[in-house]
Amino acid sequence: DQQVKQNSPSLSVQEGRISILNCDYTNSMFDYFLWYKKYPAEGPTFLISISSIKDKNEDGRFTVFLNKSAKHLSLHIVPSQPGDSAVYFCAASRGGGTSYGKLTFGQGTILTVHP
Amino acid sequence: DAGVIQSPRHEVTEMGQEVTLRCKPISGHNSLFWYRQTMMRGLELLIYFNNNVPIDDSGMPEDRFSAKMPNASFSTLKIQPSEPRDSAVYFCASSLLLAGTYEQYFGPGTRLTVT
Repeated sequence: DQQVKQNSPSLSVQEGRISILNCDYTNSMFDYFLWYKKYPAEGPTFLISISSIKDKNEDGRFTVFLNKSAKHLSLHIVPSQPGDSAVYFCAASRGGGTSYGKLTFGQGTILTVHP
Repeated sequence: DAGVIQSPRHEVTEMGQEVTLRCKPISGHNSLFWYRQTMMRGLELLIYFNNNVPIDDSGMPEDRFSAKMPNASFSTLKIQPSEPRDSAVYFCASSLLLAGTYEQYFGPGTRLTVT
């Protein structure tokens, strides 16, 4: 049972354009969502997060949107740069009980930004 | 400021041998997580500790796997005996879990190959 899904294994974008990465979740108890970026031979790096009490969070070129009714979140990168080429993972967390602090990850989307 | 440190970065061993992976979390963090990444299963949580106490080990695949956290600055993940299907990248992550924030910070990983 995959509770966090990234249905697009890969995405290719031209430099300067917008990259939109999508993520769907099934567990309505999730209340905190994160995006990570991963380069080859490195660990995932935290990028941006959003609490379920918000529907948008922005940090520089990166914006995360949360649609709770659709159980969907997206990461927008504007403008995209070749250095953004990496694997992007979305992750979700529940606030309470033994799940406190645990993250459930999606399978990842490979983003390639062409010069 | 040093991030999460893992050793060794690469480990090649023969089936049946004992393998010990090591992790030093970020100073001041109160939670530590061990993950395994494979092509088939993606990034999956094996076990996590809060204040050095194991909270959830439901992701540990079988009794061959064990993890310890003797103090706040050190953790080990041991596989005994190792099998070829244990080949994967193992990540350690740490976090300062506070109400409403769940960001985890990953180490560079240990690539384990069991022949």
